[in-house]
Amino acid sequence: EVQLLESGGGLVQPGGSLRLSCGVSGFTFSNYAMNWVRQAPGKGLEWVSVISVSGGATYYADSVKGRFTISRDDSKNTLYLQMNSLRAEDTAVYYCAKDQRVSSCNNAGCYSIFEYWGQGTLVTVSS
Amino acid sequence: IVMTQSPDSLALSLGERATINCKSSQSVLYSSNNKNYLAWYQQKPGQPPKLLIYWASTRESGVPDRFSGSGSGTDFTLTISSLQAEDVAVYYCQQYYSNPITFGQGTRLEIK
Repeated sequence: EVQLLESGGGLVQPGGSLRLSCGVSGFTFSNYAMNWVRQAPGKGLEWVSVISVSGGATYYADSVKGRFTISRDDSKNTLYLQMNSLRAEDTAVYYCAKDQRVSSCNNAGCYSIFEYWGQGTLVTVSS
Repeated sequence: IVMTQSPDSLALSLGERATINCKSSQSVLYSSNNKNYLAWYQQKPGQPPKLLIYWASTRESGVPDRFSGSGSGTDFTLTISSLQAEDVAVYYCQQYYSNPITFGQGTRLEIK
């Protein structure tokens, strides 16, 4: 059974930092691109970032570029999102999501179908 | 690519047919493989989204056959042939044709 479990969310002051983790099981983690998608309270879905197989390529939404860093540790079956310079508008539930396809990335980007999602972790940015 | 869904909300009776539309600001049809890079998700309250349909019309494994997707290019439709109580949710379309990946704003489906 595929499982994704996010952790690391919480309350942080504006300008602060937080590191999210997503531990996975039930599939060969190293074979798939992985994504972060967020959802502000009562709002829709917003794609945040993707990391390709082996971490060779990373892509970000303009809203987080330069502040967030996605990474992965295939030996630990874990995906990360380092979030710096946090703003109130970053308040959201953050989901990690597995790409459906083995080869959805090329040198221009990753084109993920989000096959499996974690339950999400809430990040609240407030003073 | 901007994804626009209609309507924003929908209230129907059990057993009725539900139709949700999704329009992309540019074509998501990739000519080299003739595939539409369009997916649909269902999100129930307090849960993460669930993949229903990809390539515009391919049903994900385990998804009931009352759910179907259609359309091509810039105009797409998710149809629920006979609404069940468990279908109450918000439905999102998503394009994966170009970066950044974008979602529609969502359509809330309720029982009348």
